[in-house]
Amino acid sequence: ETGVTQSPTHLIKTRGQQVTLRCSSQSGHNTVSWYQQALGQGPQFIFQYYREEENGRGNFPPRFSGLQFPNYSSELNVNALELDDSALYLCASSSGQGLVNTEAFFGQGTRLTVV
Amino acid sequence: AQTVTQSQPEMSVQEAETVTLSCTYDTSENNYYLFWYKQPPSRQMILVIRQEAYKQQNATENRFSVNFQKAAKSFSLKISDSQLGDTAMYFCAFMMYWGSQGNLIFGKGTKLSVKP
Repeated sequence: ETGVTQSPTHLIKTRGQQVTLRCSSQSGHNTVSWYQQALGQGPQFIFQYYREEENGRGNFPPRFSGLQFPNYSSELNVNALELDDSALYLCASSSGQGLVNTEAFFGQGTRLTVV
Repeated sequence: AQTVTQSQPEMSVQEAETVTLSCTYDTSENNYYLFWYKQPPSRQMILVIRQEAYKQQNATENRFSVNFQKAAKSFSLKISDSQLGDTAMYFCAFMMYWGSQGNLIFGKGTKLSVKP
């Protein structure tokens, strides 16, 4: 166990709806990254938060947004859900900003199904 | 842009034998990290081994070792004395060393099955 917890573990939503996924980072970690893993693919970087500020973003549209709270837990919000958003969403926590961000600990992910 | 390629979608090995998973990557940078992650059916990504590009010595963690060829941009994982618990998806990943948000770039993975 890594100490990174994600909720919920599974979720089914209808196209057009909005969803919020949650991640509690490992104790002492101030950086949270989110990844989308489509079926049969490797994870793709969505964005990263460092000390409550967005610290980098992958090639995802603005309807993917996030927050990081003072206790360094984080949320991923997706608006106007599309069928292609169906995936496993992984959260990873680490210490330090990108310069020394050398090891990420992952949660077990949230499996989102959009119907 | 950096890319990571894993050319073996699936591999199998007999218990107690040795298997090597391949990974190549493309980057113009000189300083970076390379990783192998394991993803069992529980879905949680687990770090197997890490290599800093500036280190010439290949990393080793118990039964896991890498063959890092910087000039060839190759980073293979060798698993010795394979165990049933090694059955999982294995992902090779790249990360910049400086001046980035430190995100991981993953390959598409290799599904490893260890057979009794």
